[in-house]
Amino acid sequence: GAVVSQHPSWVICKSGTSVKIECRSLDFQATTMFWYRQFPKQSLMLMATSNEGSKATYEQGVEKDKFLINHASLTLSTLTVTSAHPEDSSFYICSAHSQGGETQYFGPGTRLLVL
Amino acid sequence: GNSVTQMEGPVTLSEEAFLTINCTYTATGYPSLFWYVQYPGEGLQLLLKATKADDKGSNKGFEATYRKETTSFHLEKGSVQVSDSAVYFCALRRGMNFGNEKLTFGTGTRLTIIP
Repeated sequence: GAVVSQHPSWVICKSGTSVKIECRSLDFQATTMFWYRQFPKQSLMLMATSNEGSKATYEQGVEKDKFLINHASLTLSTLTVTSAHPEDSSFYICSAHSQGGETQYFGPGTRLLVL
Repeated sequence: GNSVTQMEGPVTLSEEAFLTINCTYTATGYPSLFWYVQYPGEGLQLLLKATKADDKGSNKGFEATYRKETTSFHLEKGSVQVSDSAVYFCALRRGMNFGNEKLTFGTGTRLTIIP
């Protein structure tokens, strides 16, 4: 099946710093990418949907100025957590969808710990 | 809005036991239903899906039937193996032809199979 990678797989940072997470579709063109967040023992919650070349659509309650999403190419989307705080510590997962496809393909996730 | 309620884990079974993981949903219209599996250290993978009432999705010995009358999509396997140990997520999405729309997930059920 299609492969989606995320980098880094885990990151530890100090409070107040910014962290960028990359999501790449390795063998297909992803017209749409999704960013999810998962807290321990909780469900995946959608943060935003991004279509290549246009602004991301954020879910209610997600701060777009804090979680910057860029989808500049058909194989790469980035999520930047700006001025991270301990409450931003979580597991961030991306998924990618190709135009006309029925399935989303998920990355392995990035674990963020903000000290 | 849409929601998915999934059997809480963790679930521990002996090898060759019968598995059922319950999943019920709330949605308008006719959603598509999915089971995803996440093996340790990997991303979510689509296990099976069903797109209309009474459809049965199946893969790797797992089955789930789309029951509109009970709004359920329970996952079953007749004889589990140690390699089935993973976290299983039930999910729904607006129906067919909406592959670029978001998924709504259950909380996930961790399954451990003991030799």
